[in-house]
Amino acid sequence: KQEVTQIPAALSVPEGENLVLNCSFTDSAIYNLQWFRQDPGKGLTSLLLIQSSQREQTSGRLNASLDKSSGRSTLYIAASQPGDSATYLCAERGGSEKLVFGKGTKLTVNP
Amino acid sequence: ETGVTQTPRHLVMGMTNKKSLKCEQHLGHNAMYWYKQSAKKPLELMFVYSLEERVENNSVPSRFSPECPNSSHLFLHLHTLQPEDSALYLCASSPRGGAYEQYFGPGTRLTVT
Repeated sequence: KQEVTQIPAALSVPEGENLVLNCSFTDSAIYNLQWFRQDPGKGLTSLLLIQSSQREQTSGRLNASLDKSSGRSTLYIAASQPGDSATYLCAERGGSEKLVFGKGTKLTVNP
Repeated sequence: ETGVTQTPRHLVMGMTNKKSLKCEQHLGHNAMYWYKQSAKKPLELMFVYSLEERVENNSVPSRFSPECPNSSHLFLHLHTLQPEDSALYLCASSPRGGAYEQYFGPGTRLTVT
């Protein structure tokens, strides 16, 4: 059974700090991995998608990496801002059209 | 309208009611999905439609009935729900082939009383 784990479940940092969110997955036949942001009571916003053939993707202050051999992905956020406060979800897609999600990391950036 | 839209945004229904959730995507995608998000649980995939054909049903109770009349619209028909069905229901779409990146709607917050 495919599983995705995100650690920590919650993280609180001061504004301006660089931080890393972790995601681990059990599917060795991963097709791609997608990072999302979810604000309270809202839908998901796609941040980055990494194909299995890629090692990392960057968008602005965000950088996501993928290591298939260890079953891990990280989301690096540089110079965090209060507006980055949200729950961050990672989801792994294997051979089907199904995304398997982690429970998320709730990030709070304090001014 | 752009992206993926969902209506209604909030719904309160009794256990004997029948209601429907609607999802519409304006991205030219041809795969659509229903997810359920309950408190303290990961998002759970409910149904996948690809080219208007249901390709996955994730052991969802029959009180949830999906319908995909065309590649832009997806419905979730609800009847005789239980209080534990209260959750945020999210719709998503993606192109078939390529990156399969999924784009999500804002969700419908459902409360069953």
